[in-house]
Amino acid sequence: RKEVEQDPGPFNVPEGATVAFNCTYSNSASQSFFWYRQDCRKEPKLLMSVYSSGNEDGRFTAQLNRASQYISLLIRDSKLSDSATYLCVVILENAGNMLTFGGGTRLMVKP
Amino acid sequence: GAVVSQHPSWVICKSGTSVKIECRSLDFQATTMFWYRQFPKKSLMLMATSNEGSKATYEQGVEKDKFLINHASLTLSTLTVTSAHPEDSSFYICSARDSGTVSGYTFGSGTRLTVV
Repeated sequence: RKEVEQDPGPFNVPEGATVAFNCTYSNSASQSFFWYRQDCRKEPKLLMSVYSSGNEDGRFTAQLNRASQYISLLIRDSKLSDSATYLCVVILENAGNMLTFGGGTRLMVKP
Repeated sequence: GAVVSQHPSWVICKSGTSVKIECRSLDFQATTMFWYRQFPKKSLMLMATSNEGSKATYEQGVEKDKFLINHASLTLSTLTVTSAHPEDSSFYICSARDSGTVSGYTFGSGTRLTVV
């Protein structure tokens, strides 16, 4: 079983739609959680951190459910520029604080 | 946050040749850098951890004699793909610990290697 799993998609949505991605992680000792955005042939860029209390940044909302070991990302009012791959990332702090990446979920927002 | 400069951004080489990829930390010292490989539509996979002044630590399944890592200074780590084969074609990205970022890491811009 992969440590961090995501639905690869692609999710094809029209502009203005709301879309949600989920991610599950296998190690219950995971401590820190993030969503990264990766454009084609570019490096990943941090989108936002994920907390149990939820984290909202404009049109983006991230949520962590520790009991079920899943992380979610909600994008409201999708823009064409949101088209990218969204990577779920977990840090296991008792293993050297290494980043562990999910396979990514591809989003395509169409006019 | 700090900046990690990675070069080249893309390279095409012939089978059997070697390719060197450089990552430099700008305005900060990176005692540890991480090298990842990403195949199309796949996740970033950690290849090795590069430690300044000592040998790199390779992940299971990564050939240390094929992927040579050198971290001779606090600002430069290099990855050399030796005797490259078409199956080595991939996107290689370095990363350094950066306490100034939320996640604690800063990434280089990546190198797309194509072996023909």
